[in-house]
Amino acid sequence: NAGVTQTPKFRVLKTGQSMTLLCAQDMNHEYMYWYRQDPGMGLRLIHYSVGEGTTAKGEVPDGYNVSRLKKQNFLLGLESAAPSQTSVYFCASIIGSSYNEQFFGPGTRLTVL
Amino acid sequence: QQQVKQSPQSLIVQKGGISIINCAYENTAFDYFPWYQQFPGKGPALLIAIRPDVSEKKEGRFTISFNKSAKQFSLHIMDSQPGDSATYFCAATDSWGKLQFGAGTQVVVTP
Repeated sequence: NAGVTQTPKFRVLKTGQSMTLLCAQDMNHEYMYWYRQDPGMGLRLIHYSVGEGTTAKGEVPDGYNVSRLKKQNFLLGLESAAPSQTSVYFCASIIGSSYNEQFFGPGTRLTVL
Repeated sequence: QQQVKQSPQSLIVQKGGISIINCAYENTAFDYFPWYQQFPGKGPALLIAIRPDVSEKKEGRFTISFNKSAKQFSLHIMDSQPGDSATYFCAATDSWGKLQFGAGTQVVVTP
């Protein structure tokens, strides 16, 4: 099993450009999450999904959109990137209960100039 | 505002010493309290976790102490090793598995 994978690993964007981050998991997990990590702030939840076709807002959703068309994939989109979105983005998944381990991907380091 | 407050920001401990990291939370809806370990360039990985109906959980050299009435919990790393040098995050989650993280503690274990 590959676990949770993220594409791409690194990306540099100019302000106003758009991009999509892809998260894939092969563990048949129901719930998936997108977090961003900034220095001194820990990880903050952007959006999450509790099943195929569902999405919900997290703590810091502004400027991001998500889609979960297939159970194994969770996409995070930036329509018009801003320097404030420079961060490391992590995807995570869980089998379906909060009492289980949440598995994290390796992260995508995004820089917006 | 941070729903889970973590301290200290960093600590240095000698090999064989004890590392202690403290966290506090406000939201009584949290029902699961995991600790994550993160190495540079990697994603967080679950270290140990506890439910609020348990006051202590030990796994090897790692122990969580939980005080429900005070809404506080802590991680103790016994016999600290250089390989334990990492950033540690406490977290709390609700029934949807949404993690609220502390700000992190960078632990450095000196030889």
